[in-house]
Amino acid sequence: EAGVAQSPRYKIIEKRQSVAFWCNPISGHATLYWYQQILGQGPKLLIQFQNNGVVDDSQLPKDRFSAERLKGVDSTLKIQPAKLEDSAVYLCASSLQGVYNEQFFGPGTRLTVL
Amino acid sequence: GENVEQHPSTLSVQEGDSAVIKCTYSDSASNYFPWYKQELGKRPQLIIDIRSNVGEKKDQRIAVTLNKTAKHFSLHITETQPEDSAVYFCAASKRAGGTSYGKLTFGQGTILTVHP
Repeated sequence: EAGVAQSPRYKIIEKRQSVAFWCNPISGHATLYWYQQILGQGPKLLIQFQNNGVVDDSQLPKDRFSAERLKGVDSTLKIQPAKLEDSAVYLCASSLQGVYNEQFFGPGTRLTVL
Repeated sequence: GENVEQHPSTLSVQEGDSAVIKCTYSDSASNYFPWYKQELGKRPQLIIDIRSNVGEKKDQRIAVTLNKTAKHFSLHITETQPEDSAVYFCAASKRAGGTSYGKLTFGQGTILTVHP
């Protein structure tokens, strides 16, 4: 089966600019996650969707980050305006509904903020 | 919220030796504990997981043990090979209830290097 797709793979922007990331989950996966992975650390959940509804966004910096999942399939994560500390890999993952189901990760988008 | 601590941060072994990575978690309601392997520049991939109703699970050279009372779990890799070299992450999750349903909290990662 096709895996989780993400684009772009790399992005370099200057601070205060805006950026958007796109994720296409595995077909049929109701749950979609966005993680931030700073170099040398484990992934940190930013937001979790169940279909097109938000389940958990407690660690999303809502003053600058936003995410949506229209029609319960693709999702976009936006940062506006970006800060230097936003430099990280942004990973999208998806799973079937239910916590015991494996989360499949996409290749990630490496963001560098200058 | 959940907090997962992972040790050691780096681990260097000779090919054929065993490697052990340990994690502790804080939320006694967590009941699902996956381990992910992440090679340099690649995505994390699940290698083994364990649910709280079992104490040990094995898959070929990889095993995971869970001590619910002490709130810690460990990854054991036997007969290590150079291709086992990667970053390993433990994680913890709750089965159901509230807004944290399915949310994975990851440890900080262990860089495993297997020398030929």
